[in-house]
Amino acid sequence: GENVEQHPSTLSVQEGDSAVIKCTYSDSASNYFPWYKQELGKRPQLIIDIRSNVGEKKDQRIAVTLNKTAKHFSLHITETQPEDSAVYFCAASSPGGGNKLTFGTGTQLKVEL
Amino acid sequence: NAGVTQTPKFRILKIGQSMTLQCTQDMNHNYMYWYRQDPGMGLKLIYYSVGAGITDKGEVPNGYNVSRSTTEDFPLRLELAAPSQTSVYFCASSYLGGENGYTFGSGTRLTVV
Repeated sequence: GENVEQHPSTLSVQEGDSAVIKCTYSDSASNYFPWYKQELGKRPQLIIDIRSNVGEKKDQRIAVTLNKTAKHFSLHITETQPEDSAVYFCAASSPGGGNKLTFGTGTQLKVEL
Repeated sequence: NAGVTQTPKFRILKIGQSMTLQCTQDMNHNYMYWYRQDPGMGLKLIYYSVGAGITDKGEVPNGYNVSRSTTEDFPLRLELAAPSQTSVYFCASSYLGGENGYTFGSGTRLTVV
């Protein structure tokens, strides 16, 4: 089945700096890659996603890039703010078998003042 | 529109006890999922369902059972609770599977002592 690896596990940046989180996946048939943000004690919330026919997608300060050949995708957050502090999860969707999402192990992002 | 509702929010079980985690969605989603979240381990799929009457095992199904008698409800049953089942459990639903993103419930924090 699909395997998703995520790095780094923790990331600390200064307010206003950029943050980059990277994920790799194993199943070349995976075709949908969402990113979720989870604040402490809350449910994961979808913040951005990308499909396999697109190389990059932006939404204000957040962008995601996908390299299908290398089977990796990344989350980029620019001009970080304290409210960006949270755990971020990448995921990949495996076609068939319930179209389930396989998640990475998460990145704890801390934005320091 | 309540989305995905999980009950209870918190529960402490003694070893060997049983319980049912409830999950209900009002979005007429066919696909529903149960994940467990352990610290530093991301979300692991326990069971999923692609429609009423259809369920299948995920990555970590041992010690759990599910049923799907209606589109709305997808309860997760723990029989003979063990300390290894201490975790946060999230139910999620989706219109046509992971490729359309998940809507998560608020989670159930379970402790087995």
